[in-house]
Amino acid sequence: DILMTQSPLSLPVTPGEPASISCSSSQSLLRSDGHNNLNWYLQKPGQSPQLLIFLLSNRASGVPARFSGSGSGSNFTLKISRVEAEDVGVYYCMQALQSPITFGQGTRLEIK
Amino acid sequence: QLVESGGGSVQPGGSLRLSCAASGFIFSNYWMGWVRQAPGKGLEWVANIKLGVNDGYYVDSVKGRFTISRDNGKNSLYLQMSGLRAEDTAIYYCARAYSGTFDIWGQGTMVTVSS
Repeated sequence: DILMTQSPLSLPVTPGEPASISCSSSQSLLRSDGHNNLNWYLQKPGQSPQLLIFLLSNRASGVPARFSGSGSGSNFTLKISRVEAEDVGVYYCMQALQSPITFGQGTRLEIK
Repeated sequence: QLVESGGGSVQPGGSLRLSCAASGFIFSNYWMGWVRQAPGKGLEWVANIKLGVNDGYYVDSVKGRFTISRDNGKNSLYLQMSGLRAEDTAIYYCARAYSGTFDIWGQGTMVTVSS
């Protein structure tokens, strides 16, 4: 199984400041078509997870431009350029390159 | 849109069938999946199913106990769960699989396994 490891697990951020979450995989997530099969989700309090970023760096429909994904191989980063109050929740990375699909432990973002 | 139903409380060893009604997209064109979340815990993938065949893929912990299926004529996804254990207690989310991700999620249905 591919192990997904996130850091930090807790992230207090002042509104307007940037934030960064790291995710590493136990093996490369590079697909044969050249895409990295790494996705990011946000689960806001009391809600279902929502897709933020798919295939490493593609923002899902309706996701603000302040969210961006980067990385390659087995090291990935989600960046928020300027955190807003509505960004609070738990962020998860997920790989779907290989079965079983696996998620990171989650990173809880809170507002200072 | 995805709407789950069928959750509830069941004793260990019991069975439950979850349903997921899909609307707003051509259901038969997409793989579908179930993801669960134990109380206060993270997300765990449970199962996926291909387009037109009831051919499922499962996490090891549910193999032989859970069966994923679909009825494209009814735009519905199912998860038949048997031999339920306390560790199966979770919110179960139905999700649409697309391009290597789950892009649409339902609101979830709670399953509690307890004596």
